[in-house]
Amino acid sequence: QVQLVESGGGLVKPGGSLRLSCAASGFTLSDHYISWIRQAPGKGLEWVSYISSSGSIIHYADSVKGRFTISRDNAKNSVYLQLDSLTTEDTAVYYCAKLLNRFDPWGQGTQVIVSS
Amino acid sequence: DIQMTQSPSSLSASVGDRVTITCRASQRISTYLNWYQQKPGKAPKLLIYDASSLQSGVPSRFSGSGSGTDFTLTISSLQPEDFATYYCQQSYSSPYTFGQGTTLEI
Repeated sequence: QVQLVESGGGLVKPGGSLRLSCAASGFTLSDHYISWIRQAPGKGLEWVSYISSSGSIIHYADSVKGRFTISRDNAKNSVYLQLDSLTTEDTAVYYCAKLLNRFDPWGQGTQVIVSS
Repeated sequence: DIQMTQSPSSLSASVGDRVTITCRASQRISTYLNWYQQKPGKAPKLLIYDASSLQSGVPSRFSGSGSGTDFTLTISSLQPEDFATYYCQQSYSSPYTFGQGTTLEI
């Protein structure tokens, strides 16, 4: 069964950091582009970042550029999203998804709350 | 960036109704358009990709059409499990933007 599972979310103070992980099962993560998408409470979906299968191509949304870093460890079948300099505007559920001109499948999401 | 605009933002309908949701791109995107369904507390689920291709396992009452800048998602006969929020998303160019969502309510 093709599945993605996120972890690493939690409560963090403004200015703090978190590292999110996305683990795959049922397929070889290293063969695929992976993306992060977030959803603020009661709001719509916002694409955040993606990374190519080799890690050589990376894109970020302007809203997170310079603060978030996407990376991958294909040996561990995992993709990561390092979140630095967090603000309350980053409070959201963060999803990872396989990207092949569409996002599918999605993980169940991990919640990030930025609050003092 | 390509802006995606959905209409309506919300829609009241009944079981058995035929429903159409529209998505407009701010520039031409060929058929690089996907549709997702999201239920409360759940991750989005891919319904339609490349504007009109039905994702495996998705009921045939869902269909998509369009190209260029104007796209539609049609549900031919609403079922109780279809009441959810629907998003369009362009995959023509990064950043991969979503529409603001259409909430389908009873």
